[in-house]
Amino acid sequence: QSALTQPPSASGSPGQSVTISCTGTSGDVGGYDYVSWYQQHPGKAPKLMIYEVNKRPSGVPDRFSGSKSGNTASLTVSGLQAEDEADYYCSSYAGSNNFYVFGTGTKVTVL
Amino acid sequence: EVQLVESGGGLVQPGGSLRLSCAASGFTLSSYWMHWARQAPGKGLVWVSHIKGDGTSTGYADSVKGRFTISRDNAKNTVYLQMNSLRAEDTAVYYCARGGVPASLDYWGQGTLVTVSS
Repeated sequence: QSALTQPPSASGSPGQSVTISCTGTSGDVGGYDYVSWYQQHPGKAPKLMIYEVNKRPSGVPDRFSGSKSGNTASLTVSGLQAEDEADYYCSSYAGSNNFYVFGTGTKVTVL
Repeated sequence: EVQLVESGGGLVQPGGSLRLSCAASGFTLSSYWMHWARQAPGKGLVWVSHIKGDGTSTGYADSVKGRFTISRDNAKNTVYLQMNSLRAEDTAVYYCARGGVPASLDYWGQGTLVTVSS
């Protein structure tokens, strides 16, 4: 199972928006509404930010939003803040043989 | 408060074995799928394995199938990952995580480092 494809980096100034793409196939992203997004600060454990494409767990700011079109999912961070600087990983359910696949990761820099 | 604490990592020679443990607290372990994921130094996340709440169903990534075994003891609130025939490419921080929402890992432990080297 190949990793989902994400851009290596993205950046924006405080207050701006940044959107990260996550491209898979019809066997994962395109086939299920089970895309998740995780935030990981250096040396820390990942944190769930979005699940089921566009749902936010309790405590996650509404500045974080998710969407999906075809085989590509996206995470948008609006109103960028310094603490949003981190690595972001998408993930998708990939069926009962491959189960789960993560993306390659995107480093978000707040300029 | 949900807490997951991994242990059992360390240095092991190629071909060796190691058993990781994940101690869970703050929730009813038997009600949740549990997962292991790993992250090689400087690399991305990789899903490794999962196990159903009652232990009756498991799944593995192709890269570890036949070498790793996931299990759980709900009475001890602990999930395990038995790793055999370890290879250099298994070197990573191993995370335990709860499958609290559909197809997502909603709580993660801090991880335990496994280094496979001679």
